[in-house]
Amino acid sequence: DAEITQSPRHKITETGRQVTLACHQTWNHNNMFWYRQDLGHGLRLIHYSYGVQDTNKGEVSDGYSVSRSNTEDLPLTLESAASSQTSVYFCASSRLAGGHAAYNEQFFGPGTRLTVL
Amino acid sequence: TQLLEQSPQFLSIQEGENLTVYCNSSSVFSSLQWYRQEPGEGPVLLVTVVTGGEVKKLKRLTFQFGDARKDSSLHITAAQPGDTGLYLCAGPLGTASKLTFGTGTRLQVTL
Repeated sequence: DAEITQSPRHKITETGRQVTLACHQTWNHNNMFWYRQDLGHGLRLIHYSYGVQDTNKGEVSDGYSVSRSNTEDLPLTLESAASSQTSVYFCASSRLAGGHAAYNEQFFGPGTRLTVL
Repeated sequence: TQLLEQSPQFLSIQEGENLTVYCNSSSVFSSLQWYRQEPGEGPVLLVTVVTGGEVKKLKRLTFQFGDARKDSSLHITAAQPGDTGLYLCAGPLGTASKLTFGTGTRLQVTL
């Protein structure tokens, strides 16, 4: 069965370190997204990609970067981790690149809980 | 500023009770989606509503899209402990494939 996985599931790091969170999907979806989830804020979009070599900034992109070298993977890098980046991170993918958004279901991974000390 | 505001933020009820959660915006959306997220997992799509005034039923869950396409509601009849979770509404940003999510309603159903 197709799926979307994230690793690691839990990560503790120190302020200033570079951290990379992995996201891998076997849906063969063009679209991939990274969100962070914090109490009272729901899901906020960090970065997204509509295909290989395409990346775009979301509403909370400062301090984060992504790269898309193939269809399956969209790793999220925290260049220099800060305590404000302690959060739960979710990766998602969806099939359509444009088209009718009404049918653009997003499939989510299980999340990565990141703690920055 | 959140485009989609959900209320209430938290809801704790007993099994068998009915409840309604709301998703409101000052903006018009071409469609709205509802997701449910269980602890330790990612959100899962429940339904998409696309037409103003539309009502969709999923067993004990009834979803409604406002006539003006600025709001939606989720009504649960005879809630069960399995309904416990975080309910999120989401709408597309323009014609793009990205979504904006609401602030969420955390529901707890106890025996």
